[in-house]
Amino acid sequence: DTGVSQDPRHKITKRGQNVTFRCDPISEHNRLYWYRQTLGQGPEFLTYFQNEAQLEKSRLLSDRFSAERPKGSFSTLEIQRTEQGDSAMYLCASSPLRGSTEAFFGQGTRLTVV
Amino acid sequence: GENVEQHPSTLSVQEGDSAVIKCTYSDSASNYFPWYKQELGKRPQLIIDIRSNVGEKKDQRIAVTLNKTAKHFSLHITETQPEDSAVYFCAASLIDTFSGSARQLTFGSGTQLTVLP
Repeated sequence: DTGVSQDPRHKITKRGQNVTFRCDPISEHNRLYWYRQTLGQGPEFLTYFQNEAQLEKSRLLSDRFSAERPKGSFSTLEIQRTEQGDSAMYLCASSPLRGSTEAFFGQGTRLTVV
Repeated sequence: GENVEQHPSTLSVQEGDSAVIKCTYSDSASNYFPWYKQELGKRPQLIIDIRSNVGEKKDQRIAVTLNKTAKHFSLHITETQPEDSAVYFCAASLIDTFSGSARQLTFGSGTQLTVLP
C-alpha cells in the first residue's frame, strides 16, 4: 500500500456532463476526506466519512455533489451537471481513527469543465 | 465555522536565512494545528503539527509556536535551503476527545516560499 490513490488524475468534461472520481484510502484508515483546491488557494473541505458513515458535509457542497463510501473502503465523489466553476483539483485524504492525527493526501483529480 | 488567515502570501529569502509564516484562527475550540508543504504539482504533505496543550514544537530546522490566547500560530524555518521552496499551508482542526482523531482541516490560503541561492 503506497498511499492514497485517486483516479483519474485528470478529467476534462463539457459543461452539463456528470463526472465521478474515485479515492482509495490507505488500508485500515477509517476516516476519508474530500477537499477541493483552486489555484492559489488552500484546500477547502467538502465532506468526510468515518467508515461508511458520512459524518459532515460542507455548506459549500451543493446538491449537485454527492459522495459515497458504501463499504467503508474506497469512496466516490460525483458531480452532476458540471459548471465551469467546478473546475478545480479534487483532493482525497485519509487518516486512522486512532493513533495518529495526520491526514495523508492523494495526488488529486484535476477537473476542467469546458 | 472556523476561519484561518495566513500571511504573507509570498515570501522570498536568501539561502541560509530564516523564514516565518504566521496564521490566525477564529474558533477557540480548535486544538490541532498542522502545517503542510505542497510542491508544484504534488500532494500536500505534513511537515509538522502542534496541539493546543503545547506552546512550541521543533523538528530539526522547523519549529511551530502557538499562542492560544491570541489564537495565532507560526511556522519557523531556519537555515533555509533551495529545496524548502514550495507552498506552505497552515490548518486548524478539532481532535475528537474519544477517538483521538482529527476532524476536517480548515486551511489558510497558503504562502509561496522561494529560497534564493
